[in-house]
Amino acid sequence: KAGVTQTPRYLIKTRGQQVTLSCSPISGHRSVSWYQQTPGQGLQFLFEYFSETQRNKGNFPGRFSGRQFSNSRSEMNVSTLELGDSALYLCASSFSGPQETQYFGPGTRLLVL
Amino acid sequence: EDKVVQSPLSLVVHEGDTVTLNCSYEVTNFRSLLWYKQEKKAPTFLFMLTSSGIEKKSGRLSSILDKKELFSILNITATQTGDSAIYLCAPEKYTGGGNKLTFGTGTQLKVEL
Repeated sequence: KAGVTQTPRYLIKTRGQQVTLSCSPISGHRSVSWYQQTPGQGLQFLFEYFSETQRNKGNFPGRFSGRQFSNSRSEMNVSTLELGDSALYLCASSFSGPQETQYFGPGTRLLVL
Repeated sequence: EDKVVQSPLSLVVHEGDTVTLNCSYEVTNFRSLLWYKQEKKAPTFLFMLTSSGIEKKSGRLSSILDKKELFSILNITATQTGDSAIYLCAPEKYTGGGNKLTFGTGTQLKVEL
């Protein structure tokens, strides 16, 4: 079974731009969660999608948004990028929610200049 | 606000040593606590703990949860260089719309020869 895939793996953007990251969950998994990881803050929860609906949301500004498609693939978008958005963005999938074992993708490393 | 504190933040040991990693938490509507190992990119699942006092074991790793005192420990015996990683704990809470994980900042373990 293929694992969670994320694209792109690396990205460099400048302040003010916007970015879209993609996550394809393990086949059959319907829950996708997104996390931001920085050295200072650790892994922080962004949001979770299940069956195309956002079920949970972390404490991030509205510049961070996401969506999920009918095939469970998910995208997250960050608008008006700031330097502090530089981080590793991880997505994780599970069958029905984080209460089950989540499988993480390799992440997208975003650098904002 | 939910809080997760892991200690120590980092430690360096020699192969063969035994280490104990700590995780204390304050989370409303607690459901379970998960441990992950993160080497280069994607965290990989180690344990899910739901009941107090029941030790879970996997090879040289073991973990236990104390729901009364709100902490968990992860033990690694006979450490090897391959155990070098960041170890993350994540209590899971029920939010009404699903479940959510809150990650600690992790313990960075380095095992030297």
